[in-house]
Amino acid sequence: DAKTTQPPSMDCAEGRAANLPCNHSTISGNEYVYWYRQIHSQGPQYIIHGLKNNETNEMASLIITEDRKSSTLILPHATLRDTAVYYCIVRVEGNDMRFGAGTRLTVKP
Amino acid sequence: DTGVSQDPRHKITKRGQNVTFRCDPISEHNRLYWYRQTLGQGPEFLTYFQNEAQLEKSRLLSDRFSAERPKGSFSTLEIQRTEQGDSAMYLCASSVRQASGYTFGSGTRLTVV
Repeated sequence: DAKTTQPPSMDCAEGRAANLPCNHSTISGNEYVYWYRQIHSQGPQYIIHGLKNNETNEMASLIITEDRKSSTLILPHATLRDTAVYYCIVRVEGNDMRFGAGTRLTVKP
Repeated sequence: DTGVSQDPRHKITKRGQNVTFRCDPISEHNRLYWYRQTLGQGPEFLTYFQNEAQLEKSRLLSDRFSAERPKGSFSTLEIQRTEQGDSAMYLCASSVRQASGYTFGSGTRLTVV
């Protein structure tokens, strides 16, 4: 599976949109982009995934560039409870999830 | 059944002792995964099962580690002759099929003293 690059940390003001970038320049055509988050002392939580089209669900939106070499997870109205480590994973369906170090998002009041 | 259950939540053991953790996946999920997470790092894949068959094992899973999933339901992860380096959070996850996201449990935090 392709490797991903994420900034180690980001801050966001409460109520504003949080935009978390992920670079996956070596992604191949059959690899999906997954996002998980992990709140302190809990297991990772699935957020969203996509192949090439933008996706939206009740938690977030996933924007994948046309060349698929990068993506952005958008939390439209961040709350204090969104403070967590966010992991971007690129994966061929059927392979297991391989986590990197992720981005530590801190939402500030 | 609303999630993946892991037991115990915390375990403190002396070096050299054996420990066993249990994971109960979501009942209709046929794939079950074990991960290990140390402080400040992302989860590291250890092994996974499809039903009762163990299909892949990471090189992180030394011969002191063994995992089972009898009857394709719950799973156990045993660590024999624990070492201080085994101190970590052990996470279990399950999924209904290859193409779906994983549901993780809250983990078992192991401390070897």
